[in-house]
Amino acid sequence: EAQVTQNPRYLITVTGKKLTVTCSQNMNHEYMSWYRQDPGLGLRQIYYSMNVEVTDKGDVPEGYKVSRKEKRNFPLILESPSPNQTSLYFCASTLKVNPGQYNYGYTFGSGTRLTVV
Amino acid sequence: DQQVKQNSPSLSVQEGRISILNCDYTNSMFDYFLWYKKYPAEGPTFLISISSIKDKNEDGRFTVFLNKSAKHLSLHIVPSQPGDSAVYFCAARAFAGNNRKLIWGLGTSLAVNP
Repeated sequence: EAQVTQNPRYLITVTGKKLTVTCSQNMNHEYMSWYRQDPGLGLRQIYYSMNVEVTDKGDVPEGYKVSRKEKRNFPLILESPSPNQTSLYFCASTLKVNPGQYNYGYTFGSGTRLTVV
Repeated sequence: DQQVKQNSPSLSVQEGRISILNCDYTNSMFDYFLWYKKYPAEGPTFLISISSIKDKNEDGRFTVFLNKSAKHLSLHIVPSQPGDSAVYFCAARAFAGNNRKLIWGLGTSLAVNP
């Protein structure tokens, strides 16, 4: 089954304790991205990756790191989590397309609900 | 500033009737629009999309209409079923260099009543 798998689904942690949220896709997609969802703000992009070893910042990258050592994996790293990073996180992937090309959309993981106390 | 707006936070419809969900956008550079459906505790699921060169796309009970001059799109669900009850998000694709990010509306919660 084609899917994006995120782990863990739920996580409660303390301020300053490094954590990693994993994301893996089995569709051979080049493009992967992380979003966070907050009430009243919707989904906002944190980081994205065009391919292996190619990553760049989205709209809200502060406090996050990512890596793309393999095509299927795109972990999100919080080196020193703070309470304002309490949120619902989604990983997504899609094929690499150019302007004027269309595909069937982005596949999302089930989400990781992170609470930082 | 919200570039993609869904002005109705919620909508309630009777089973069998039509559901119309609306979405407005401000950026004329968006080239692709998508509708996603989301159930609680799950990730968004792709529903239907439309490119900016078209004005209508149909898939079974779901039809999306795009009015570029008004910067408006709508999702029609006919007939509505109780299983359609979910939050529906409108998203627009923006190309910024290598980034193919989605800009999202805040969602409309649809309740289909038996």
